[in-house]
Amino acid sequence: ETGVTQTPRHLVMGMTNKKSLKCEQHLGHNAMYWYKQSAKKPLELMFVYSLEERVENNSVPSRFSPECPNSSHLFLHLHTLQPEDSALYLCASSREALAGYYNEQFFGPGTRLTVL
Amino acid sequence: SQKIEQNSEALNIQEGKTATLTCNYTNYSPAYLQWYRQDPGRGPVFLLLIRENEKEKRKERLKVTFDTTLKQSLFHITASQPADSATYLCALVDAEYGNKLVFGAGTILRVKS
Repeated sequence: ETGVTQTPRHLVMGMTNKKSLKCEQHLGHNAMYWYKQSAKKPLELMFVYSLEERVENNSVPSRFSPECPNSSHLFLHLHTLQPEDSALYLCASSREALAGYYNEQFFGPGTRLTVL
Repeated sequence: SQKIEQNSEALNIQEGKTATLTCNYTNYSPAYLQWYRQDPGRGPVFLLLIRENEKEKRKERLKVTFDTTLKQSLFHITASQPADSATYLCALVDAEYGNKLVFGAGTILRVKS
């Protein structure tokens, strides 16, 4: 248990559906991240939030929409996804955002997303 | 272009032996390098961090080296056990790229009893 939880753990959705992924961290961290992990590929950073403010948006398509209502919660809203968006979506947190030595990240278990 | 390379082929070793995993990088000047372990269906778990001015770091059976001349980090697990079987990811932090963690694709380690 890393102190970062994600729900749901598995999600199957059609291309016209709208769904949301939820992440919660219980570590008192200031930064939260969304990553995409596809098979045999490196983790891809999608979004970074520092104290609820988005500080990084890594050229992610607009069909992915993040929301950070407070420093403990992070959402990823999904709409009109494509089959190639099927992947493991990981949430992480760290004490500070993009701050070098303190960049040790704590990951949640991920949401396995399948887009039909 | 920038690259982080880890062996794409799985490393199979016998229990009790030392496992050595390699992380090579190109066109980065990392200030820090981190290693994570990832089990199937789970998120990565942080193991060790090493700074550019540190040659070696140890934690129990784990040892990491960082050679900025060779642009390489080696990750060693001594007296390996079947429970060490997992995917190991290296990640680096380069201030020129906004201090973001940039990950390699990982190497699968299988330890056989």
